[in-house]
Amino acid sequence: DTAVSQTPKYLVTQMGNDKSIKCEQNLGHDTMYWYKQDSKKFLKIMFSYNNKELIINETVPNRFSPKSPDKAHLNLHINSLELGDSAVYFCASSGSGGAGETQYFGPGTRLLVL
Amino acid sequence: GQSLEQPSEVTAVEGAIVQINCTYQTSGFYGLSWYQQHDGGAPTFLSYNALDGLEETGRFSSFLSRSDSYGYLLLQELQMKDSASYFCVKRDAGNMLTFGGGTRLMVKP
Repeated sequence: DTAVSQTPKYLVTQMGNDKSIKCEQNLGHDTMYWYKQDSKKFLKIMFSYNNKELIINETVPNRFSPKSPDKAHLNLHINSLELGDSAVYFCASSGSGGAGETQYFGPGTRLLVL
Repeated sequence: GQSLEQPSEVTAVEGAIVQINCTYQTSGFYGLSWYQQHDGGAPTFLSYNALDGLEETGRFSSFLSRSDSYGYLLLQELQMKDSASYFCVKRDAGNMLTFGGGTRLMVKP
């Protein structure tokens, strides 16, 4: 059973395009996250949602817009894609968002902008 | 810049013990976690230290000393499958995680 799933797994697109990545978790968790991992493997949080409400919004260009239709889903829409957006994007979830909660990561979406 | 520092690469042989250190320049955080990531895979949780001291989970142990701003991950009886990147991770309020740069562990026969 997949706990945290993301689609697509790979995404190759042209600069300037708009694309979306979807994330779903079946763990019954209240909190979901988006992370970006660059080519040097540096992993940085982008957004966090708790029960469909935005909790963490790090310094991310406003071309990135998360949307949470319900607490099991957190999608990431990216407008006007740039070369520097090429990275692996990980979705994660945790129970109530408390400091002691383990985060469970999805398999990642490998985005390549040409 | 990075608030968590860890070595970029460590090499060890199968069956050995290896320690991956993590130093940080922060205060007032909730605890220190360690995550493992195989090439092409997702980060997976290994351990969490909320308090000073040693936490043991099978072959893996993690240690935290807040007074020394220091923690480490200890891997015993190394196996080839332990070859991966290991991230020291700071936990703050709202379960916000800040990842260190990662240590690439290569286990050789």
